[in-house]
Amino acid sequence: EAGVTQFPSHSVIEKGQTVTLRCDPISGHDNLYWYRRVMGKEIKFLLHFVKESKQDESGMPNNRFLAERTGGTYSTLKVQPAELEDSGVYFCASSQDLVGNSPLHFGNGTRLTVT
Amino acid sequence: GDSVTQMEGPVTLSEEACLTINCTYTATGYPSLFWYVQYPGEGLQLLLKATKADDKGSNKGFEATYRKETTSFHLEKGSVQVSDSAVYFCALSRGSGYALNFGKGTSLLVTP
Repeated sequence: EAGVTQFPSHSVIEKGQTVTLRCDPISGHDNLYWYRRVMGKEIKFLLHFVKESKQDESGMPNNRFLAERTGGTYSTLKVQPAELEDSGVYFCASSQDLVGNSPLHFGNGTRLTVT
Repeated sequence: GDSVTQMEGPVTLSEEACLTINCTYTATGYPSLFWYVQYPGEGLQLLLKATKADDKGSNKGFEATYRKETTSFHLEKGSVQVSDSAVYFCALSRGSGYALNFGKGTSLLVTP
């Protein structure tokens, strides 16, 4: 089966610009998660979708971040306007069942650099 | 809140050396514990897990035992290979439906 796919793999933008990251989960996986790793720090949870609904968005840092999952398939994460501290690697993961009951499958990540 | 602390890297070992990467956690209740591995250019993959105290997770020669008394889940391998070079992340989940909490990751480089 195809794995979790993320686009783009790298993005370099200027402060104040907008960037949209995309994640295609494994087909049939209802659970989709976004995580972020800032250089040298922990991988931090951002939010969790179950199908098209936001189950938990407690990790979203502020209202400059907007995540959507139209139709319960792929998901997008938009950062508008981007700030320097948004730089990092954004990971998407999907699972058939909830964390703890089935493994998370991660994408390769999108490396975002804000200059 | 829940948190995971891993030993700082990078760790550099010669092939066939023994590996231990320390991981301790802080959490309420009885979390599930995980080790994930990220090989160069790839996404994170689940390496092993343990869901209750004294459980031992194992995979690809790696082992980790869930120690509730010391709140630890140290990753061990008796003889590392060059192909084990990667970043290793310790993580916990409070339970089904809760997100994973990750440590900072430990970079391992194994030289021939």
